[in-house]
Amino acid sequence: TQMTQSPSSLSASVGDRVTITCRASQGSGNYLNWYQQKPGKPPKILIHTASTLHSGVPSRFSGGGSGTDFTLTISSLQPEDFATYYCQQTFSTPYTFGQGTRLEI
Amino acid sequence: EEHLVESGGGLVQPGGSLRLSCAASGFTFRRFWMAWVRQAPGKGLEWVANIKEDGSEMYYGESVKGRFTISRDNAENSLYLQMNSLRAEDTAVYYCARDFFSNREASYYMDVWGKGTTVTVSS
Repeated sequence: TQMTQSPSSLSASVGDRVTITCRASQGSGNYLNWYQQKPGKPPKILIHTASTLHSGVPSRFSGGGSGTDFTLTISSLQPEDFATYYCQQTFSTPYTFGQGTRLEI
Repeated sequence: EEHLVESGGGLVQPGGSLRLSCAASGFTFRRFWMAWVRQAPGKGLEWVANIKEDGSEMYYGESVKGRFTISRDNAENSLYLQMNSLRAEDTAVYYCARDFFSNREASYYMDVWGKGTTVTVSS
């Protein structure tokens, strides 16, 4: 299953509301995860199963969608949110990632 | 606290082999699927392979199928990735990750990651 994120990069300001989309080439149910990665660090899980916030992740992050179209929304950007975000489907192996969305100031 | 520490990376010539290791601690290793994910320089994440709790099932990404082998030793709390017929495009940071199964949602996600080990394939 090919995962396509849009946009590939995004410029925003602190306090903005941003949405990143992820489209699957085949239906993936709600088996969709979102990760955040900062330079030189491993990824961190933010949201799993399309909309379930991982423990400890701020509530400004939210996820939605099912089937082939998914979204990650950050309601009010904080300085620490500037990073690269990846979606990943776990509906079927190989568990493919999207190409990433770089969120810049 | 759960930890994963990768090792075994380095410089290898095209066509060569390398074996990566991942040492797990702070959790019951034998109860979890485990995976390898890689990231080429300046590129995105690529899922490489995963392996079932008891080692009886393994799955691979298309780009490594037939060349890489994932394995584990539950007695040693260790995960491995044997990489053969290496190519320049295999150059990447290789991450070991735990595949957590959420019973409530019946879904998997990677919740614990190592810091990665770098593999460079070059002559």
